[in-house]
Amino acid sequence: DVKVTQSSRYLVKRTGEKVFLECVQDMDHENMFWYRQDPGLGLRLIYFSYDVKMKEKGDIPEGYSVSREKKERFSLILESASTNQTSMYLCASSFSSVVGLGEQYFGPGTRLTVT
Amino acid sequence: AQSVTQLDSQVPVFEEAPVELRCNYSSSVSVYLFWYVQYPNQGLQLLLKYLSGSTLVESINGFEAEFNKSQTSFHLRKPSVHISDTAEYFCAVRRTSYDKVIFGPGTSLSVIP
Repeated sequence: DVKVTQSSRYLVKRTGEKVFLECVQDMDHENMFWYRQDPGLGLRLIYFSYDVKMKEKGDIPEGYSVSREKKERFSLILESASTNQTSMYLCASSFSSVVGLGEQYFGPGTRLTVT
Repeated sequence: AQSVTQLDSQVPVFEEAPVELRCNYSSSVSVYLFWYVQYPNQGLQLLLKYLSGSTLVESINGFEAEFNKSQTSFHLRKPSVHISDTAEYFCAVRRTSYDKVIFGPGTSLSVIP
């Protein structure tokens, strides 16, 4: 089974803190993604990566950055956390091949609260 | 721009009754279509997908969805729901030649005993 793990299920941080969310996948997937999930808005793509050291902005990258130093690990960084970044953060990964086209495997999510 | 619409944000239904969760998308090119399910306090998992071929696709737990190109729809159906089907359901679309997946806002299915 594909496994995508996220470093924390729940996280509480103060405004202005630097926050790191870690994601690790064990299926040698090329692609990795960070989404945030908010009620009524569904999933919105923050950043994604097609390969090591490669990153692309998604729909809502402002206030976030990412790092992918190893294929299995994709980190989301909130440089200076703000209350409007309180959300559920979901990491996902997928193959880049035609066989698994589009199917993403998700981690359990990190519920971040910024106070 | 591509978009996905799920017309119903919440759908309550009695146990053993049929259900349909609606999904419409906008795209001028061929697409791949997906339904994901999110059970309480869990991440999303793939329920079923349409890539090509038969327009009717089925999941292992009794759900089915039909791709209708003329109506740009991919509605999800189940003839008889169980309590365990209570979850959030997300429709998603991906253009054939682009890796980005667009998710709908989700439909919360509540099965009432």
